[in-house]
Amino acid sequence: LAKTTQPISMDSYEGQEVNITCSHNNIATNDYITWYQQFPSQGPRFIIQGYKTKVTNEVASLFIPADRKSSTLSLPRVSLSDTAVYYCLVGEDNYGQNFVFGPGTRLSVLP
Amino acid sequence: DTEVTQTPKHLVMGMTNKKSLKCEQHMGHRAMYWYKQKAKKPPELMFVYSYEKLSINESVPSRFSPECPNSSLLNLHLHALQPEDSALYLCASSQVRAGGHNEQFFGPGTRLTVL
Repeated sequence: LAKTTQPISMDSYEGQEVNITCSHNNIATNDYITWYQQFPSQGPRFIIQGYKTKVTNEVASLFIPADRKSSTLSLPRVSLSDTAVYYCLVGEDNYGQNFVFGPGTRLSVLP
Repeated sequence: DTEVTQTPKHLVMGMTNKKSLKCEQHMGHRAMYWYKQKAKKPPELMFVYSYEKLSINESVPSRFSPECPNSSLLNLHLHALQPEDSALYLCASSQVRAGGHNEQFFGPGTRLTVL
C-alpha cells in the first residue's frame, strides 16, 4: 500500500486559497489519488480524484506532478464552512481493497 | 436519492449485550463498507461487501459480525464488545467499476459507547 504523509494541521483565513500537499513516494503505476473531506460527527465526503496532471471540479483542484510522488489539493477562496479534516488516499481501487485513509490534515479557517 | 442512512445514531451497550447497527442505501450501489473511526483518527476499514458477498475482512475480531441481507442493507452485529471498541462506526456504499476510485458515499455514523 502506498503510504501517505500530510501536514497534521493548517490555518487559513476566509477568502484565501488553501493548498494541502500530500506525499506518496511509493505510489504504484495503477494507483489513483483521491481526497475526502470530513466535518465533525459526519462521514467523509468525496472531493476529487486524479491520476496525473491537473483535475478541477466545482469545489477544488488537484495538481499532480509528472513523477506522481506528491499531490496538492487546492481550495479556492475558503470560507468558515471549509473547516474540516482533509484526507489524501492513494490506491488502486477494487471496491475498498488496497485503499487506506491517510492521517488527514485538519484545516481551520479563521474569520 | 444519494443518501446513506444509519441507525441508531447513538448506542450505549454493556460488554455482555448483543446489539446491531444498520445501514441502508437506495443508490443501486453493489459495494458496501463498514469503517471504524476513533477520535481524531482516520477511518479504518473493517469489512467490504461486493454483490452481497463478503470480499474483505480486515482481521476484525469475531465479536463484530457483518451481514448483507440484500443489495440495499448492511448490518453489523455486535456481541461481547470491549470498552476499546467505543468509536464512530461508519457505513459507506459505492458502485463497482474497474479503473480508479469508486466514490464512496458515507452515512453519518453510529456513535457507539461500550461500558
